[in-house]
Amino acid sequence: AQSVTQLDSHVSVSEGTPVLLRCNYSSSYSPSLFWYVQHPNKGLQLLLKYTSAATLVKGINGFEAEFKKSETSFHLTKPSAHMSDAAEYFCVVSPLTNYGGSQGNLIFGKGTKLSVKP
Amino acid sequence: EPEVTQTPSHQVTQMGQEVILRCVPISNHLYFYWYRQILGQKVEFLVSFYNNEISEKSEIFDDQFSVERPDGSNFTLKIRSTKLEDSAMYFCASSEKAIYGYTFGSGTRLTVV
Repeated sequence: AQSVTQLDSHVSVSEGTPVLLRCNYSSSYSPSLFWYVQHPNKGLQLLLKYTSAATLVKGINGFEAEFKKSETSFHLTKPSAHMSDAAEYFCVVSPLTNYGGSQGNLIFGKGTKLSVKP
Repeated sequence: EPEVTQTPSHQVTQMGQEVILRCVPISNHLYFYWYRQILGQKVEFLVSFYNNEISEKSEIFDDQFSVERPDGSNFTLKIRSTKLEDSAMYFCASSEKAIYGYTFGSGTRLTVV
């Protein structure tokens, strides 16, 4: 069975300092992994995705995530936080094969709320 | 950039009433989904739709729910007789192929009173 664990429900950083949002996954198959961001009263925006190509994935707005199979982790990082990064972030696993097998549904983590202090 | 459009953004309905949530997926996408997020809880999968039929559904998606693609552009979620516990944010999503990532709409907040 596939699952996603986001280790922190809330992370608070100061503007200009690094961001680390942690995610561990469990998947029977080679997973596709995603990070989505949700700003208040907005939809879910795709930040980045891992689909078994390069293990270090670059996304929008300066975010990156590294797929570490040995640690079953897919942590999201950003070198320098901006006030506009304050939002909720979801780590998501898709129980697909990496050659695009069945169109399985997405499994969401509980989310991490990122606060950015001036 | 192409968007998934959902209407209305907020709907209030009385318990027992039928509601239809509407979505316009991205035009070249082939896979369509509904998810929901009850306040304070995880985003949960409801149903996926491909080639004019349901391809997968969760336990939440019982006989009260149905989906339809009535005209080749809209994708609707109908709840036949709403219950208080159906109050949630409902997200529509579409994808060309799931490994590319899904594009979500901005959601419809359904409040059942």
